[in-house]
Amino acid sequence: EVQLFESGGGLAQPGGSLRLSCAASGFTFSGYAMAWVRQAPGKGLEWVSVISGSGGTTYYADSVRGRFTISRDNSQSSQNTLYLQMNSLRAEDTAVYYCARLSTMTVAAAFFDYWGQGTLVTVSS
Amino acid sequence: SVLTQPPSVSGAPGQRVTISCTGSSSNIGAGYGVHWYRHLPGKAPKLLIYDKTNRPSGVPDRFSGSKSGTSASLAITGLQAEDEGDYYCQSYDGSLSVWVFGGGTKVTVL
Repeated sequence: EVQLFESGGGLAQPGGSLRLSCAASGFTFSGYAMAWVRQAPGKGLEWVSVISGSGGTTYYADSVRGRFTISRDNSQSSQNTLYLQMNSLRAEDTAVYYCARLSTMTVAAAFFDYWGQGTLVTVSS
Repeated sequence: SVLTQPPSVSGAPGQRVTISCTGSSSNIGAGYGVHWYRHLPGKAPKLLIYDKTNRPSGVPDRFSGSKSGTSASLAITGLQAEDEGDYYCQSYDGSLSVWVFGGGTKVTVL
C-alpha cells in the first residue's frame, strides 16, 4: 500500500524558514517523480514543485522559485524521504502542503496518483 | 485559475450532476491529460479520473470523464451523500510549463 506522510509544518515568521519532509513507503521510491502541492485557506489546490525520481530534474512554480528547494533522499536508511526547504517565507505561503506521487515524468500525461494528508504551514508574526 | 470550474453544483440523491473544466489551447486544447480529484476537508485528495476517461481501481463507475476541445467534464450519476466534497480538474500548461488545477467545485447532495 502506497503511503505518504508529511511532517515539519508549523508557525514561521515572515522571512523565516521551514523544512517539510514526506516519508514514502509501499512503492519503489526512486522510480517515481514526486511533487509538493499546497492549498491556502479558502483557496484551491496549487502546484508548488516537482522532482524527478533520480533527483536530477526539478521544477518550481513562479511563486516559489528562488525561495523553495525540493530534494529527495532515495536511500533506504532515510526511509525514502522527500523534502521541501522553504526560505524567505511570506504570509501568502500559509497553506496546507501535500506531497504527492507523480504518475510519470512525461509532463503531457502526468497526474498525481497518491497524496499525503498534508502539513499546515502558517507564516505570521 | 488557468482552468475554470463552477464554484458549486448540487443535486438530489440519485440524480446526475456534471462539473465543467474550461481551459485553453495551451493546456486541455493542446492534448495534455485531464485528471480529476476529490478533496474532503482534512483528508488527502483522491484521484478519481485520469487521462480524461480512466478510473483507478476502486473508483465506482458512477464517475465518468469526457473532453471536447478546450474543455473537459466530470459526470457523477446516481448521486450519493458520500459524493459530497470539493472536486478539482488538473492538466499541464505547455505555455506556462506548469501543472495547473481548476479552482475547485463544491458538490452538495441536497
